[in-house]
Amino acid sequence: DTAVSQTPKYLVTQMGNDKSIKCEQNLGHDTMYWYKQDSKKFLKIMFSYNNKELIINETVPNRFSPKSPDKAHLNLHINSLELGDSAVYFCASSQRGGVLNTEAFFGQGTRLTVV
Amino acid sequence: AQSVTQLGSHVSVSEGALVLLRCNYSSSVPPYLFWYVQYPNQGLQLLLKYTTGATLVKGINGFEAEFKKSETSFHLTKPSAHMSDAAEYFCALNTGGFKTIFGAGTRLFVKA
Repeated sequence: DTAVSQTPKYLVTQMGNDKSIKCEQNLGHDTMYWYKQDSKKFLKIMFSYNNKELIINETVPNRFSPKSPDKAHLNLHINSLELGDSAVYFCASSQRGGVLNTEAFFGQGTRLTVV
Repeated sequence: AQSVTQLGSHVSVSEGALVLLRCNYSSSVPPYLFWYVQYPNQGLQLLLKYTTGATLVKGINGFEAEFKKSETSFHLTKPSAHMSDAAEYFCALNTGGFKTIFGAGTRLFVKA
């Protein structure tokens, strides 16, 4: 059983399109995240949700809109895709985000390529 | 502000040699520290974590790390490198908020 699963694994699309990435966790965790990993492997948090509520929005352009229909799902919708959006996007979850020693569990990543 | 600095974006060792990946942190409150490993085309996997108590932490695959508050360091070591250890390694810290801050990563190469 995959703990944190995201789909699709690869996404190639043209500039200006709108796309979504889905994420589901079956760990019963309260907190979910989206991270962006650029071509230099740098990981930067985008969003953090706790029990379906947005906790952190790290100055991400409003073309990116996360949606959490329940605490097991956190989807990422991206409007008007730009070349600079090309990256690997990771979904993650943790048991309780505000607790110090809780580690994050990561999905396999979605490699987004905008052409 | 909290930050994590990993010294060396690339480290190359021979198989059987000592692995040492360096991590320094900056935090105004006691940090909780993590090491994650990322294999090619995979997500991140937790290697080990420091919370409180013993400063020498043992993780999976023979890795360990030592928390040194006086040096604000959390270096990762393994006595004998194996080819399967080749991967990207990330040091990370959490200070109780809803985000974990990651270092820039260190790519470990293992030569036969």
